[in-house]
Amino acid sequence: ETGVTQSPTHLIKTRGQQVTLRCSSQSGHNTVSWYQQALGQGPQFIFQYYREEENGRGNFPPRFSGLQFPNYSSELNVNALELDDSALYLCASSLEGGAHQETQYFGPGTRLLVL
Amino acid sequence: DQQVKQNSPSLSVQEGRISILNCDYTNSMFDYFLWYKKYPAEGPTFLISISSIKDKNEDGRFTVFLNKSAKHLSLHIVPSQPGDSAVYFCAASFSGNTPLVFGKGTRLSVIA
Repeated sequence: ETGVTQSPTHLIKTRGQQVTLRCSSQSGHNTVSWYQQALGQGPQFIFQYYREEENGRGNFPPRFSGLQFPNYSSELNVNALELDDSALYLCASSLEGGAHQETQYFGPGTRLLVL
Repeated sequence: DQQVKQNSPSLSVQEGRISILNCDYTNSMFDYFLWYKKYPAEGPTFLISISSIKDKNEDGRFTVFLNKSAKHLSLHIVPSQPGDSAVYFCAASFSGNTPLVFGKGTRLSVIA
């Protein structure tokens, strides 16, 4: 059974650029949640995808968007990057919408630096 | 505004002693609480949880206590081991399909 993987591990972009982060969910999981962890903060919920549909969204602007594919892997896209988007982006996979929170497995994250 | 607060950014404890990590929340509708541990370059890993219908849950060296009237929970680790050194996040959720709301974390250092 493979765990949650994320790519790339690190990324440097400049303001105004666009970025795509990728997440492969744990085998058998159909739900992916994305979180942003800024320096010195806890993870903050961005959105969740369940069976390829967005299933909840946190307080993030529309330039944060996502996709989930038929194999349940997921992408996070951020347009018009701002300096404050610099953070660790975590994805977490779970089964059936994450109702059992303890079965949510996190990937190692992608560290994004916006210059 | 922070709905889940961990007011101690760091804590140092000697090996073998008890570690107590604290967490406060403001939203009384939260009914499920979790603790996650995070090592550098790894994602958070689930440690222990508690439902609001309980006031204590124990798993080996880890015990979580919930005081609903005070909107406070704490994680006790006893005895503390050097491998417990990590950042600990408190998280809360509403029952059902909802996201986790995390605190800022407490960095625990267990000194041998």
